[in-house]
Amino acid sequence: DAGVTQSPTHLIKTRGQHVTLRCSPISGHKSVSWYQQVLGQGPQFIFQYYEKEERGRGNFPDRFSARQFPNYSSELNVNALLLGDSALYLCASSLTGLGANVLTFGAGSRLTVL
Amino acid sequence: DAKTTQPPSMDCAEGRAANLPCNHSTISGNEYVYWYRQIHSQGPQYIIHGLKNNETNEMASLIITEDRKSSTLILPHATLRDTAVYYCIVRFNAGNMLTFGGGTRLMVKP
Repeated sequence: DAGVTQSPTHLIKTRGQHVTLRCSPISGHKSVSWYQQVLGQGPQFIFQYYEKEERGRGNFPDRFSARQFPNYSSELNVNALLLGDSALYLCASSLTGLGANVLTFGAGSRLTVL
Repeated sequence: DAKTTQPPSMDCAEGRAANLPCNHSTISGNEYVYWYRQIHSQGPQYIIHGLKNNETNEMASLIITEDRKSSTLILPHATLRDTAVYYCIVRFNAGNMLTFGGGTRLMVKP
């Protein structure tokens, strides 16, 4: 079975641009979460979506947004990119967004902002 | 979620047991202890979790003290492929928000 797939794997943007990152969860998983990992630090929670509704939001500015589609895939959008947005963006899926959850992470999308 | 404290780095000889400690002195009664690891340039990988009883699976064992204020992850026979950053996370079993700290960088040496 395919794991959590993310695209693109690497991308380079310039300050002020916009980026869209995509995530396909494991088949049967209905919840997707997004994390940002800056070099040298642990991942930081950005969003959780379950059944197409936002179920949790971390301490990130409104430039960050996300959505979940009927097939449970998800997009993370970041507007007006800053140099500090350079990071590994991780998507994780789980069966549900409630109760006991084991998260399965994808390999991430590495964003470099110049 | 309760805060955790882990040593920043540890070494282990290949084939020996790796014992990774974690302190979580402010854990509440219904918070679980989860362990994930992250091998360089990959996403975090789930290892094991527990509430108060010791747990074992094909990857590792989790020993939680009786007062639940600390735990130890045991990799019984460490291999070079176990070199990674290991994160101890304490959380309620609701939602998908994991709070990662700095983790322990485990270096398995031949």
